[in-house]
Amino acid sequence: GAVVSQHPSWVICKSGTSVKIECRSLDFQATTMFWYRQFPKQSLMLMATSNEGSKATYEQGVEKDKFLINHASLTLSTLTVTSAHPEDSSFYICSASDRGRNTEAFFGQGTRLTVV
Amino acid sequence: KNQVEQSPQSLIILEGKNCTLQCNYTVSPFSNLRWYKQDTGRGPVSLTIMTFSENTKSNGRYTATLDADTKQSSLHITASQLSDSASYICVVPNAGKSTFGDGTTLTVKP
Repeated sequence: GAVVSQHPSWVICKSGTSVKIECRSLDFQATTMFWYRQFPKQSLMLMATSNEGSKATYEQGVEKDKFLINHASLTLSTLTVTSAHPEDSSFYICSASDRGRNTEAFFGQGTRLTVV
Repeated sequence: KNQVEQSPQSLIILEGKNCTLQCNYTVSPFSNLRWYKQDTGRGPVSLTIMTFSENTKSNGRYTATLDADTKQSSLHITASQLSDSASYICVVPNAGKSTFGDGTTLTVKP
């Protein structure tokens, strides 16, 4: 099956710094990638939809200047958490749809962000 | 409002036993329904995708059913194993986005 790779798997950063998370589709082209945030024992919350070559679409309540999304190619999207605060600590997950199949979303393994 | 509701919220069973998880949805229009397994600290992994015309689909010990009339789906796990302990999430896409259920946390005990 299609593979989506997320990097890093976990990261610890200091308050005020920025952290970049990468999401790559390894064996297919993804025109659309999704970024989610998940708190413990809760379901995934969609943060933004990332479209290759255009600006991301953010969900209500998600600060676009804080969570910068770049989707520069059909296989790579990045999420940068800027000026991180401890409340940004969470599990971030990306997913990508194979535009050839268009029916299934493949998820990355997730990134555990801890801001200290 | 598009919604996906799962039950039970959590479930504990003994190894080797069967169990069934439920998913009710109000997403419209409907194209497909997906069941994912999410291990703790990992991303969700697809188990099955049910389209409108499919009533039953199996993937090993996992069998999903879909009743598009009543907008209900179930995931049946046969002969459970310790490795089945995870969160099972029902997802229904709509207009390019997905509506997620809150998941059922399954714990399989020896």
